[in-house]
Amino acid sequence: NAGVMQNPRHLVRRRGQEARLRCSPMKGHSHVYWYRQLPEEGLKFMVYLQKENIIDESGMPKERFSAEFPKEGPSILRIQQVVRGDSAAYFCASSPGAGVKIYEQYFGPGTRLTVT
Amino acid sequence: AQSVTQLDSQVPVFEEAPVELRCNYSSSVSVYLFWYVQYPNQGLQLLLKYLSGSTLVKGINGFEAEFNKSQTSFHLRKPSVHISDTAEYFCAVRRPTGNQFYFGTGTSLTVIP
Repeated sequence: NAGVMQNPRHLVRRRGQEARLRCSPMKGHSHVYWYRQLPEEGLKFMVYLQKENIIDESGMPKERFSAEFPKEGPSILRIQQVVRGDSAAYFCASSPGAGVKIYEQYFGPGTRLTVT
Repeated sequence: AQSVTQLDSQVPVFEEAPVELRCNYSSSVSVYLFWYVQYPNQGLQLLLKYLSGSTLVKGINGFEAEFNKSQTSFHLRKPSVHISDTAEYFCAVRRPTGNQFYFGTGTSLTVIP
């Protein structure tokens, strides 16, 4: 039973380019969270998605950032026109979304984005 | 918004000694509480959680935590640490009716041989 998968693990982008981060949740999980972790800081909530639906995007920056979780395929976090301040580790976590384990999250290994 | 405070950013401790990692949260309403461990270059792994019931919660790898509502704390303890416990530990809270998990800034535990 594969865990949460994220790719790429490392991503280097120049300022102004686009970054696309992918997250495949655990089998049977229909909900995905995205977090950003800056150096020396904890994880900051960005967005919570269900397949084909954004449940809570209150942690997403208003510009340049977007997320989706289509019916088929992985969830994608997209950052347009990246700036150096976007350099961070981005983690995805999946959840069953219902049942007794509704409050459990299973984290992927993260994508480390470096903007040069 | 909730806030989670982990007062100790770094905790060095000798192998086989006990350890306590502190976590305090700000909330006047009920919350769910979690501790996660992060090994280098990996994602977070759930150690234990408190949703309701007994205030003493036992988790994996010999860790336990005690929920103290009056002090709004959820400190993590282990009676005897191993070298393999060296990692970053994060406390997190979530309101039962909310979607967001709020994380502390983490405590780096270093076990010294």
